[in-house]
Parts: sequence; structure tokens; C-alpha cells
Amino acid sequence: DTEVTQTPKHLVMGMTNKKSLKCEQHMGHRAMYWYKQKAKKPPELMFVYSYEKLSINESVPSRFSPECPNSSLLNLHLHALQPEDSALYLCASSRQGAVTEAFFGQGTRLTVV
Amino acid sequence: GQQVMQIPQYQHVQEGEDFTTYCNSSTTLSNIQWYKQRPGGHPVFLIQLVKSGEVKKQKRLTFQFGEAKKNSSLHITATQTTDVGTYFCAEIIQGAQKLVFGQGTRLTINP
Repeated sequence: DTEVTQTPKHLVMGMTNKKSLKCEQHMGHRAMYWYKQKAKKPPELMFVYSYEKLSINESVPSRFSPECPNSSLLNLHLHALQPEDSALYLCASSRQGAVTEAFFGQGTRLTVV
Repeated sequence: GQQVMQIPQYQHVQEGEDFTTYCNSSTTLSNIQWYKQRPGGHPVFLIQLVKSGEVKKQKRLTFQFGEAKKNSSLHITATQTTDVGTYFCAEIIQGAQKLVFGQGTRLTINP
């Protein structure tokens, strides 16, 4: 199994809503990532989890709250988002330590209205 | 921090023509990875280069890492419509487990 599964595929939410994005992998990877990608731009790193601990937060606003309940799951909790937060949110995983490839999920296309 | 600059931003070719995208850095890169993202899709890993002067081939794709490890290129010979997409180079900031992407080159092909 070399898949990273993200749910939901699409999400429309209001600015007062609370929602969560989910990511799952069963490759035994201990590094997991959240990226944000706007149209025609490269993925921008948001968070890195290493062995279920948050190791990097790229100065992301607190309305985005990551969580890693176990080594296979990664969540991104969303609250009070702004329309400019509309983007494709990508989850990725890789083996910890070694310089190796990252496996990306299909992404959640988020629209904030 | 370190950032790889990628050119060109866009490239349109006739099917069968060759295509090249370049990544440049002002500092020495420890490694470089290349990813392809199809329209509406997600980034998919293509290759990783680590050694100075390294050249790797995958069918019609040739990847190079410069002797000084400050630049890299991806060359596609005789493009096909399946090659359409955005090609990103990316650097792993070692120790930090950060994967940082270049701006990408969007390839479109006239059949």
C-alpha cells in the first residue's frame, strides 16, 4: 500500500464553521506533512510531524490546528477561516530520517465562503 | 532560507518536440528531487539526485545534477500528450525534514 488517503475530496465551509481534514497512510512513515497549494503556485509547507510530534510550524495562523492522533493519521482542524484560505490542502508522508521521496494524497479542495 | 529558482514558468511545445526545465540555487544543494503534478492532480515523485554531476534517465526523461550541486535540469525527449503537467524541483532541508518546492514549470502540449 503506497497510498496517502485524504478526506474529504472537496469541502465548502462558511467563515464561522469548524471542520476537519483527515489524512491516513499505512506505509509506516513517521514523517507527515500538511501543504497548502493555491492555483498555479507550488505547494507551501504548513506543518511537519515527526514521530507524532509537531516539529515544524511555518508560522501558520492559529485558525489552522494540526493533530497527529497516531502514526497513521494526521488531521487539520479548521476554524474561523477566511476566503483567502481557499486552496488545495495536501497531506504527504515520508520515511523519517533518510532523504527520500514524499508521497502525496489527492488533496482536499477547500472553498471558504 | 534556501530557495530553488525554477525556469521557465511556462512552456508550450508541439507534440514530439523536446522540453527542458531548470532549477538554480545560489547555495549548494544537498540533494534535489523532481515531482510532476498533472492538472487537477497531486505531486508525484519522479527522481532524487544526490551526487555531484549525477545523471539519471527514466525512458524519455533525463535528470541532471550540476557539478557544483547548485543547479539541476529535467529534459524530456519527444514530448507526448501524457507529459502535460507542472514539473517541480524540490529540495529537502536536511535535519529539518522540510521539502521546499521551486515555482514549477507548467508544460502544455499541442497534439
